[in-house]
Amino acid sequence: EDKVVQSPLSLVVHEGDTVTLNCSYEVTNFRSLLWYKQEKKAPTFLFMLTSSGIEKKSGRLSSILDKKELFSILNITATQTGDSAVYLCAVVALSGTYKYIFGTGTRLKVLA
Amino acid sequence: DAGVTQSPTHLIKTRGQQVTLRCSPISGHKSVSWYQQVLGQGPQFIFQYYEKEERGRGNFPDRFSARQFPNYSSELNVNALLLGDSALYLCASSLGLADTSTDTQYFGPGTRLTVL
Repeated sequence: EDKVVQSPLSLVVHEGDTVTLNCSYEVTNFRSLLWYKQEKKAPTFLFMLTSSGIEKKSGRLSSILDKKELFSILNITATQTGDSAVYLCAVVALSGTYKYIFGTGTRLKVLA
Repeated sequence: DAGVTQSPTHLIKTRGQQVTLRCSPISGHKSVSWYQQVLGQGPQFIFQYYEKEERGRGNFPDRFSARQFPNYSSELNVNALLLGDSALYLCASSLGLADTSTDTQYFGPGTRLTVL
């Protein structure tokens, strides 16, 4: 059965800390891995990763994919209170039709 | 530009009833996907429609159905509601099948369904 596992489930840090969020997956016919940030309702897109070893970067956020070991990490440096949210990892698989498999998310709380 | 819109925002139904949720994609997007998000969990994929055809389906019972209209808007129908159907229902749109680095899904604000 296809699955995506995120760790840790929750994390509390102080402003300025660096955090690393993990996402491991077991899916058939992997196509891509995505990271989203969900604050209240609609998840907002952060990154799409399709190739191993190529870091995607946007400001203080960066992410990398390892297709051999089947995992991805999302790094946030110099965290701010506005980074408090649930971070979702999703994998797109193609087995005849497309499937989008989300993990349960990592809840990050950044304290001032 | 308007983002993905969903209606209604909130909905309260009783067990056994039927519900229809609506989604309008971003202008120019031809694909709509539906997700169910139970509190404390990640979104669960229900359907993807592209060019009015079903292109993906998750592990949901036949009580769940959807369709996409010529203007690319979409409806999700749920029959014979159960208490466990209470969730946030998210719609996402993309230009195509959202499987390339230049085509990703953009989510709407969701419809909160409560089944009593």
